[in-house]
Amino acid sequence: GDSVTQMEGPVTLSEEAFLTINCTYTATGYPSLFWYVQYPGEGLQLLLKATKADDKGSNKGFEATYRKETTSFHLEKGSVQVSDSAVYFCALRDSGAGSYQLTFGKGTKLSVIP
Amino acid sequence: DAGITQSPRHKVTETGTPVTLRCHQTENHRYMYWYRQDPGHGLRLIHYSYGVKDTDKGEVSDGYSVSRSKTEDFLLTLESATSSQTSVYFCAISVVDGGREGLGEQFFGPGTRLTVL
Repeated sequence: GDSVTQMEGPVTLSEEAFLTINCTYTATGYPSLFWYVQYPGEGLQLLLKATKADDKGSNKGFEATYRKETTSFHLEKGSVQVSDSAVYFCALRDSGAGSYQLTFGKGTKLSVIP
Repeated sequence: DAGITQSPRHKVTETGTPVTLRCHQTENHRYMYWYRQDPGHGLRLIHYSYGVKDTDKGEVSDGYSVSRSKTEDFLLTLESATSSQTSVYFCAISVVDGGREGLGEQFFGPGTRLTVL
């Protein structure tokens, strides 16, 4: 079946540091890939997405590139802010049967300190 | 936020009691989902619905039932709550993508924190 593996947290960075959160996946079809963010006490919000190989999703200074050859979708940001402190989830939606469902990674908690 | 509300937002109940959680949407989306979120597990799909009276099981459906009698409401019922069902429950909808229902982005409600003692 499908699965998503993302780096374990928590991750603690100083403000303006570079962020990378690794995400790799296995899928039976050709998936679409997503990053969601969850701020404390809130639901998940879509941060960015990519639907085919070599697509780059970007939003709010975050970027991730769909790498089919390495089955990866790593999240990056050049300079994090305290307001980026949240839990980040990588997810995929496979093609074909069951494509209405999302498969999530376990989440990576990011804390940014001033 | 796709007009999704969940009620109650917090609930404490005792083992063996029935519990119903409600998800309400205001934008007439056909696909709705119930997830649970647990530390170390991320989000796992419990059930989903693709229309009124049309539902299907997800990854962790044992001990849960759902109903959808109106487009706007999707109910999750724990017939006899157990401590293992202590969790945060999220409802989601998916929007249309390229004219195709259910294949667009998913938007999540604010969650219900359920504690079973």
